[in-house]
Amino acid sequence: DADVTQTPRNRITKTGKRIMLECSQTKGHDRMYWYRQDPGLGLRLIYYSFDVKDINKGEISDGYSVSRQAQAKFSLSLESAIPNQTALYFCATSEAGGGNQPQHFGDGTRLSIL
Amino acid sequence: DQQVKQNSPSLSVQEGRISILNCDYTNSMFDYFLWYKKYPAEGPTFLISISSIKDKNEDGRFTVFLNKSAKHLSLHIVPSQPGDSAVYFCAASPGYNTDKLIFGTGTRLQVFP
Repeated sequence: DADVTQTPRNRITKTGKRIMLECSQTKGHDRMYWYRQDPGLGLRLIYYSFDVKDINKGEISDGYSVSRQAQAKFSLSLESAIPNQTALYFCATSEAGGGNQPQHFGDGTRLSIL
Repeated sequence: DQQVKQNSPSLSVQEGRISILNCDYTNSMFDYFLWYKKYPAEGPTFLISISSIKDKNEDGRFTVFLNKSAKHLSLHIVPSQPGDSAVYFCAASPGYNTDKLIFGTGTRLQVFP
């Protein structure tokens, strides 16, 4: 979905480095999410934000932080990367209104930590 | 503890036939269920959803069935087409105004000619 853009698409880095993954959207949605996908585990929620002043931890927030710079921008940081954070990361957005509102995903960032 | 389970990691179906993808869940408080399709190198895209107050929802070739007593839902694709080859994720939402989705592990569907 070109309306949700993730940068970079691929990143290889070393253990201990600080990493920032960025997400921007043109859909005008208030709600934004960060997920990670690991083989055999589906997508798991890291953090989510219902508006600029609202940040919430998801299922697996340890080792991650986020910043909602504007309605359209939501970034994910790994303060000190470790190898088990190697995964495919997805940003998503949705309109408000409950669990029946579909989330719209970016194309993902493949992160490898050596 | 996996609250949403897709026990079949892969499925292979001939073009024109029916594809049936299954999903089981453990939490009776889930209110909405959604199916997403994912192609390689792309993000998941929304396919179809169903509310817990319904037992069937249809959209073109795609139909989702919900059996609340069995805590089971299924996605039927009829007829299957090669372009349907993708990974399909089942997801569940705990309730109104709770946008957190809990995803299953996915089923890879291959539709062959």
